[in-house]
Amino acid sequence: EAQVTQNPRYLITVTGKKLTVTCSQNMNHEYMSWYRQDPGLGLRQIYYSMNVEVTDKGDVPEGYKVSRKEKRNFPLILESPSPNQTSLYFCASSWGLAGRETQYFGPGTRLLVL
Amino acid sequence: KQEVTQIPAALSVPEGENLVLNCSFTDSAIYNLQWFRQDPGKGLTSLLLIQSSQREQTSGRLNASLDKSSGRSTLYIAASQPGDSATYLCAALNYGGATNKLIFGTGTLLAVQP
Repeated sequence: EAQVTQNPRYLITVTGKKLTVTCSQNMNHEYMSWYRQDPGLGLRQIYYSMNVEVTDKGDVPEGYKVSRKEKRNFPLILESPSPNQTSLYFCASSWGLAGRETQYFGPGTRLLVL
Repeated sequence: KQEVTQIPAALSVPEGENLVLNCSFTDSAIYNLQWFRQDPGKGLTSLLLIQSSQREQTSGRLNASLDKSSGRSTLYIAASQPGDSATYLCAALNYGGATNKLIFGTGTLLAVQP
């Protein structure tokens, strides 16, 4: 089954404790992206990647890191989480290099930073 | 800077009714316009993608239209069913060279009453 998976689905952590949210897709997509969703603000792009070893900032990259060492995986790293990073996070992928095609979303990771 | 607006924020209709969801965008230089459905606890599911050169797309009971000159898109749902209850999001993909990105609206929460 074609899908985007994220782990964990739910996470409660404390300020400053490094964490990683994994994202994996099995569709051989070049383009992958991370979004956060907050009430009243909609989904906002954090980082995106057009291919292996090619990543760039989206609209709200502060406090986040990403890497793309393999085509299928695109982990999101919070080196020192803060309460303002409490949010619902989505990973997405699509064909092509520029994210112009239909984007497929993972189920989301709900993060609470205390 | 692209801004995407969806009105109303919430809508409740009786089963069987035809309905229209609205999406407005400020920058007409879009590559495409996408409609998504979001169910609680799940990720976004792509419903329809309209290229900038197209005026509409249809899938089953769903029909999406695009009018770039007026900065509007509509999602028409025919013969609504309780299973259509979800949040509907529209997103505009803007030209930006290597930085194409989806700009999302904040969504319309639809409740179809049996």
